[in-house]
Amino acid sequence: GQNIDQPTEMTATEGAIVQINCTYQTSGFNGLFWYQQHAGEAPTFLSYNVLDGLEEKGRFSSFLSRSKGYSYLLLKELQMKDSASYLCAVRVPGNTGKLIFGQGTTLQVKP
Amino acid sequence: NAGVTQTPKFRILKIGQSMTLQCTQDMNHNYMYWYRQDPGMGLKLIYYSVGAGITDKGEVPNGYNVSRSTTEDFPLRLELAAPSQTSVYFCASRGTYEQYFGPGTRLTVT
Repeated sequence: GQNIDQPTEMTATEGAIVQINCTYQTSGFNGLFWYQQHAGEAPTFLSYNVLDGLEEKGRFSSFLSRSKGYSYLLLKELQMKDSASYLCAVRVPGNTGKLIFGQGTTLQVKP
Repeated sequence: NAGVTQTPKFRILKIGQSMTLQCTQDMNHNYMYWYRQDPGMGLKLIYYSVGAGITDKGEVPNGYNVSRSTTEDFPLRLELAAPSQTSVYFCASRGTYEQYFGPGTRLTVT
């Protein structure tokens, strides 16, 4: 079966660091994606990991451990505009580009 | 470069009515996808296409149909609307590796 787990909600303070975890159990793996989705808007691409390790992009970093079926998204120097849902998605093997999404983590940043 | 566009933005349907959700992309992407997103949930794949003339079912295809006559357009058809199809529908196309999403269509069936 296909299962991707993320915490439903998280709260953090402006200026702090927050880590959003994602664990997956899927029949095959061909990369892990993180998307940001503000309320009422479309998801936008944040990061992509296909090999183990940390990918850094400005204030956002994403980590992958394929042996543990685990990823996290790290957000530093939190800003109020970071309040959004963060979706973890696994790409299935093959040439279809299909993604399986977790339910998303709603992050609320407080002053 | 408009990216992925969807129409309409909002629609209210009565049970049993039909409609087509339009999706167009101007990035010359071969791969396109239709998702639905229910409140507080992630995205579920309805149908996808790997190129003009080629479509296939995703996780939740029942009650929907698609066609792909051109690279640019990937319309989604609801034949007999049911309350369970109340959702937000997103169309996406795939670039090098990431997917680009349209703004969505918010559909209510009553």
